[in-house]
Amino acid sequence: GAGVSQSPSNKVTEKGKDVELRCDPISGHTALYWYRQSLGQGLEFLIYFQGNSAPDKSGLPSDRFSAERTGGSVSTLTIQRTQQEDSAVYLCASSLAPTGGGSYTFGSGTRLTVV
Amino acid sequence: DQQVKQNSPSLSVQEGRISILNCDYTNSMFDYFLWYKKYPAEGPTFLISISSIKDKNEDGRFTVFLNKSAKHLSLHIVPSQPGDSAVYFCAAVGSARQLTFGSGTQLTVLP
Repeated sequence: GAGVSQSPSNKVTEKGKDVELRCDPISGHTALYWYRQSLGQGLEFLIYFQGNSAPDKSGLPSDRFSAERTGGSVSTLTIQRTQQEDSAVYLCASSLAPTGGGSYTFGSGTRLTVV
Repeated sequence: DQQVKQNSPSLSVQEGRISILNCDYTNSMFDYFLWYKKYPAEGPTFLISISSIKDKNEDGRFTVFLNKSAKHLSLHIVPSQPGDSAVYFCAAVGSARQLTFGSGTQLTVLP
């Protein structure tokens, strides 16, 4: 597709359940990032994939969070045993290469609500 | 500890006037700085960037200024338009090639 696609756009889940969030990056983009934005907060880095390199997981807030990227394309962010503090908008971005000059394109995000 | 800070959560400006959004950073190893605009229910949209070797970059109504000695950058929008009303995020990139964002400034341009 022309842009970064994320699904679902909205997800309401019960506390303790697992959720999977999906990101389809722009075709050919080798770098993929996950961020989240909690209410009233800035964007918080979660994880970064670059090509076949080991991902940078330094932003994941706990071991309940994991992500994978299959075939260098689609990525899935999984949150196990969700907690209310996990409620946020989860944003995915991709870039053609890990450059600094603004080639990062964001999806519209998945709004996760844990009740 | 926030490495990128936007100390003004909100800013209101009259249409046609200049909007100045400010951002401070602490990490001297950042080599690119970017500004993103975000509307509700949408992802951030790239606006303009600047390399750390420059002090100014201009694109139409948008100009970004970088003062490395003060670790400060600003985004100028002139003339401001009602459609510019959005949350503006400052972001920085270092060797890890991840974006580090500020907390955002809500700009409201009054008609």
